[in-house]
Amino acid sequence: GDSVTQMEGPVTLSEEAFLTINCTYTATGYPSLFWYVQYPGEGLQLLLKATKADDKGSNKGFEATYRKETTSFHLEKGSVQVSDSAVYFCARSGGSYIPTFGRGTSLIVHP
Amino acid sequence: EAQVTQNPRYLITVTGKKLTVTCSQNMNHEYMSWYRQDPGLGLRQIYYSMNVEVTDKGDVPEGYKVSRKEKRNFPLILESPSPNQTSLYFCASSFKGGDTEAFFGQGTRLTVV
Repeated sequence: GDSVTQMEGPVTLSEEAFLTINCTYTATGYPSLFWYVQYPGEGLQLLLKATKADDKGSNKGFEATYRKETTSFHLEKGSVQVSDSAVYFCARSGGSYIPTFGRGTSLIVHP
Repeated sequence: EAQVTQNPRYLITVTGKKLTVTCSQNMNHEYMSWYRQDPGLGLRQIYYSMNVEVTDKGDVPEGYKVSRKEKRNFPLILESPSPNQTSLYFCASSFKGGDTEAFFGQGTRLTVV
């Protein structure tokens, strides 16, 4: 079935460091790909998405490119801030039209 | 404002006492879903619904029931809660179609003692 695998956390960085969170997905069908963010005490919210191969999603300085050849959708940010501390979920669209989520990666950014 | 509203936000209950967590969305979405979030396990889908009166099991449906009598509401029912159902629960909704985002409620922190 559909699945998403993302790197385990927590990822701990200093402010202004470069961030990469890896995500790979099963290649069944032609999925859309998403990154969601969950700030402490809140529900998930969409961070960015890409709907076809080679698309780049971007928002709030975060970027991810839909790589069909490597079935990947890695999240990157050039300079993280303390306020980026959150849990990040990679997801793909599925047959039930509800996304399939990865397990989440906790990001902790220190001043 | 477009939103998914869950109630209650926090609930402590005793084993075996039936409870319902409500979920309502104001975006006219066809698709609604319940997830539980546990440390180290991420989000796991409990049940989903593709439209009124159409529901199906997700990955972890045991011990839960749902109903979809109206498009906007999708309550989660625990007929006889047990301590292993202590978790953080999220309701989500989306439009029909695979490339649309899911909108999430704020979550319900349930503790069963």
